[in-house]
Amino acid sequence: KNEVEQSPQNLTAQEGEFITINCSYSVGISALHWLQQHPGGGIVSLFMLSSGKKKHGRLIATINIQEKHSSLHITASHPRDSAVYICAVLVVGRTGNQFYFGTGTSLTVIP
Amino acid sequence: NAGVMQNPRHLVRRRGQEARLRCSPMKGHSHVYWYRQLPEEGLKFMVYLQKENIIDESGMPKERFSAEFPKEGPSILRIQQVVRGDSAAYFCASSPLWVAGVYEQYFGPGTRLTVT
Repeated sequence: KNEVEQSPQNLTAQEGEFITINCSYSVGISALHWLQQHPGGGIVSLFMLSSGKKKHGRLIATINIQEKHSSLHITASHPRDSAVYICAVLVVGRTGNQFYFGTGTSLTVIP
Repeated sequence: NAGVMQNPRHLVRRRGQEARLRCSPMKGHSHVYWYRQLPEEGLKFMVYLQKENIIDESGMPKERFSAEFPKEGPSILRIQQVVRGDSAAYFCASSPLWVAGVYEQYFGPGTRLTVT
């Protein structure tokens, strides 16, 4: 069983639609990242969250620590949002830091 | 402020050769992380370094792989005697000094290693 589960695995949306990608995790975390990986392979960190909600442009990320769940929302989706979105959690322990990644959600936005 | 730099972007090695991957963190960042993404798989953590110090290498394969982040110069991920299964994209990320468990990581463009 993976420590980080994302859903859906694949998502196709029409331009303009509101999109939600979910991430559930099974470990106690210090922080959660949402990453974006474009078809060329480059990775961009979209958000780093440890509680609450963050907004950047059309992107919104929320986290519920008690329920061990985070969501990434994209409003007014656009074809340029097509990418793989990856949820990653950081677990800090006495012996070091453990990073766990979801397998990603592949988003395609159709014009 | 230049972002995280990785070189080479593409590297082809024959089985048994050595691969050296370099990562220059963002200016002012003292922490470097290496990740591996195998084809059709997700990112996996490999190692976390500060300058001259390995903080956590729990994700590194026990043999053939090593990493360093010297006082001067880039961080190096070294793979000795490469095998086909090492073919992957290797990403480096950097962050500033980690305080109270809160940090932000900035990713490099990755090095795509192909072992023939």
